[in-house]
Amino acid sequence: EPEVTQTPSHQVTQMGQEVILRCVPISNHLYFYWYRQILGQKVEFLVSFYNNEISEKSEIFDDQFSVERPDGSNFTLKIRSTKLEDSAMYFCASSELGQGIDTQYFGPGTRLTVL
Amino acid sequence: AQSVSQHNHHVILSEAASLELGCNYSYGGTVNLFWYVQYPGQHLQLLLKYFSGDPLVKGIKGFEAEFIKSKFSFNLRKPSVQWSDTAEYFCAVNAGNAGNMLTFGGGTRLMVKP
Repeated sequence: EPEVTQTPSHQVTQMGQEVILRCVPISNHLYFYWYRQILGQKVEFLVSFYNNEISEKSEIFDDQFSVERPDGSNFTLKIRSTKLEDSAMYFCASSELGQGIDTQYFGPGTRLTVL
Repeated sequence: AQSVSQHNHHVILSEAASLELGCNYSYGGTVNLFWYVQYPGQHLQLLLKYFSGDPLVKGIKGFEAEFIKSKFSFNLRKPSVQWSDTAEYFCAVNAGNAGNMLTFGGGTRLMVKP
């Protein structure tokens, strides 16, 4: 069964550094998402992406964040200058369509630790 | 803004016990409802979803959920749990006019004792 993959599984960085989290969505899916879960808190939506554009973003997704589909398979989340409060598990997801009823398939997550 | 509540944070059951996990949401319009499960060391997987029709939805592994619109609830049930059901369960809601973003509840950790 096709799966969403994410690399790395764990990323440790110093505050102020840039990080890029990578995801390979399921190949025939058109919509891509990033969510995050700070330890002990809820999974929160960050952004959705379709046709090389952001289609929705939350208040969390400020100018420090950006997303890109640099080639036909990867989908990346960049945090420009990491803060301590960016430490979280980041989940990538993809769906075939962008309707609300469509199932989003999640990757295993990247645990980001900002020191 | 919509929100989702899962009131049971931790549940411990013995095998063969019945399970009901609560999920309530705050949104008055059309909603699409999901239950995801995360087994230890694995990624979030869809258990079941509801978007219209019969409010009793059956999912994988013997799970079912009932949408009760008047109570803004979508509780998850299983008549007889197994040790392999030990996992964290997440309720999620997509509000019909909020694009395709999911709003998650806080999750319920279920431990099933053999």
